[in-house]
Amino acid sequence: GAVVSQHPSWVICKSGTSVKIECRSLDFQATTMFWYRQFPKQSLMLMATSNEGSKATYEQGVEKDKFLINHASLTLSTLTVTSAHPEDSSFYICSAKRGSTSTDTQYFGPGTRLTVL
Amino acid sequence: GEDVEQSLFLSVREGDSSVINCTYTDSSSTYLYWYKQEPGAGLQLLTYIFSNMDMKQDQRLTVLLNKKDKHLSLRIADTQTGDSAIYFCAELPGGGGNKLTFGTGTQLKVEL
Repeated sequence: GAVVSQHPSWVICKSGTSVKIECRSLDFQATTMFWYRQFPKQSLMLMATSNEGSKATYEQGVEKDKFLINHASLTLSTLTVTSAHPEDSSFYICSAKRGSTSTDTQYFGPGTRLTVL
Repeated sequence: GEDVEQSLFLSVREGDSSVINCTYTDSSSTYLYWYKQEPGAGLQLLTYIFSNMDMKQDQRLTVLLNKKDKHLSLRIADTQTGDSAIYFCAELPGGGGNKLTFGTGTQLKVEL
């Protein structure tokens, strides 16, 4: 159990277009999902916390109008990179928290590689 | 703020034990985690330890926690080539928050 999927696994787009990445918890309900960004050979940087039915909480320095997050159901959160530019190229990873207490474990998706030309 | 440090690289021979170390600064940490990341993939939860424990063993994995020194280690017994990956420690701070703080990652290379 506790499987998290992401779609697509990789995407290449032209500069100026928008890209939507989906994160699904396949066998559990997740009231909280997280979106991370990872640059090559670096650690994960938390971008935002997504709560089902409410607005996402963004980390300092992350543009909420640039990275739109929607958590419409207990099993799906989406991240839309709007008007993508080459500097947005990165590996985006989501995680889903199984349970509602702060100590419940986060399970991670396989990641989405975004390349903006 | 919280800071979690790891050594960048570790090389071991197949069959030997690997020990990956992690230091953190937040004394209120509740849980500490070890994740494995293979190339181009997401993070796989390996194991975790509650902050009031000193040790946890799970098959080939042994986690040691020295809360006084804020030091966490992951020992992999009988390391195999399939263990080659990047290993991240992460801590969950106290206070009821959700946000994990990840270490810098240790690249483990297992040689024949």
